[in-house]
Amino acid sequence: AQSVAQPEDQVNVAEGNPLTVKCTYSVSGNPYLFWYVQYPNRGLQFLLKYITGDNLVKGSYGFEAEFNKSQTSFHLKKPSALVSDSALYFCAVRALNRDDKIIFGKGTRLHILP
Amino acid sequence: EAQVTQNPRYLITVTGKKLTVTCSQNMNHEYMSWYRQDPGLGLRQIYYSMNVEVTDKGDVPEGYKVSRKEKRNFPLILESPSPNQTSLYFCASSLSYSGSRVNEQFFGPGTRLTVL
Repeated sequence: AQSVAQPEDQVNVAEGNPLTVKCTYSVSGNPYLFWYVQYPNRGLQFLLKYITGDNLVKGSYGFEAEFNKSQTSFHLKKPSALVSDSALYFCAVRALNRDDKIIFGKGTRLHILP
Repeated sequence: EAQVTQNPRYLITVTGKKLTVTCSQNMNHEYMSWYRQDPGLGLRQIYYSMNVEVTDKGDVPEGYKVSRKEKRNFPLILESPSPNQTSLYFCASSLSYSGSRVNEQFFGPGTRLTVL
């Protein structure tokens, strides 16, 4: 069965420092991987996705993520955090097969400290 | 404006009283889905639809029904709501979601449901 793990419930980073939000996955076959962000009282917004190709994926708001097949990870990164990046972040995975379910992680709350 | 709309945004009801949460998208998307979000559990998929008249169960379908009679609408029906269905519900749509054609999902603003 496919699964996604976000091992940290919360991540605190000082403004201006680099940030990483971790995601590992388990899926049979090739994965499709996504990151979404949720601001307070809002629906989820798409940040970036990995389908095939370059392992480093660039997305919205200066975020990027690196696909690592050997470690089955897809960590979200940003070189310099902003206070406005404070939000809830979700990693999601879907396997390339006939089952079209998508599995979301439990979310990581990111706090950027001024 | 391209968007997914849900109604109502907030609903308080009582156990057993049938309710429907509507979802509509104006992007001509094939794929639509319903999720519930609960603290500590993240997002869990309830039902999804690959296209008109095609629906399938997600991970937590018990107690819910859906229909997809038109491409733009995907209502969520709770025939006999119970307190354990108190949650934040999101509808989402995607251009396509089959095989290798995988697109990101657009989410509605959410419906906060309380069942007393």
